[in-house]
Amino acid sequence: AQKITQTQPGMFVQEKEAVTLDCTYDTSDPSYGLFWYKQPSSGEMIFLIYQGSYDQQNATEGRYSLNFQKARKSANLVISASQLGDSAMYFCAMRGGNEKLTFGTGTRLTIIP
Amino acid sequence: DTGVSQNPRHKITKRGQNVTFRCDPISEHNRLYWYRQTLGQGPEFLTYFQNEAQLEKSRLLSDRFSAERPKGSFSTLEIQRTEQGDSAMYLCASSLVPGFYGYTFGSGTRLTVV
Repeated sequence: AQKITQTQPGMFVQEKEAVTLDCTYDTSDPSYGLFWYKQPSSGEMIFLIYQGSYDQQNATEGRYSLNFQKARKSANLVISASQLGDSAMYFCAMRGGNEKLTFGTGTRLTIIP
Repeated sequence: DTGVSQNPRHKITKRGQNVTFRCDPISEHNRLYWYRQTLGQGPEFLTYFQNEAQLEKSRLLSDRFSAERPKGSFSTLEIQRTEQGDSAMYLCASSLVPGFYGYTFGSGTRLTVV
């Protein structure tokens, strides 16, 4: 069985500061993928970044980077230079040997001007 | 192509009524997924299709739920005899190949059962 744990229900961050959202995972699959999605109040899940279990380097996409520590089974999302538009729910998710994504419970990020 | 489209965006129904939701995936995507998201939780997998074939169903998908993708394009999710516990956001996603960058989600249908 796959499990995603996000231990931060909510976070408040000053605008322009960097923020780290925590994610730990558990799986018995040797090959898996880790995703981060942003969900604004409109409801749509917006893909941010992907990390494959065999990728040697941490993934980066613009202001987003994924701090992948395989031995610790963690996949934290780092947002640099936060903006007001970053305020939203953030979900960590994993795809194992099957097709479905397993999501965590999410972190509500609020950026303070 | 403007992405994954879901209709309606909101649905309020009385307990015991049947409801049907529609999802139009990105046209070249052959895989289509349904997820359910209750308040304060992450989305949970319900079912997925490759073209018109339904390949996997979650145990969350009780016999009151049925999903179809008749021509391998759009999909419908029907809930019969709705219960208050069915109130949730129903999200659809599509992808071209398994996994990786390909999961594109729609904006969801929010169902409220009164």
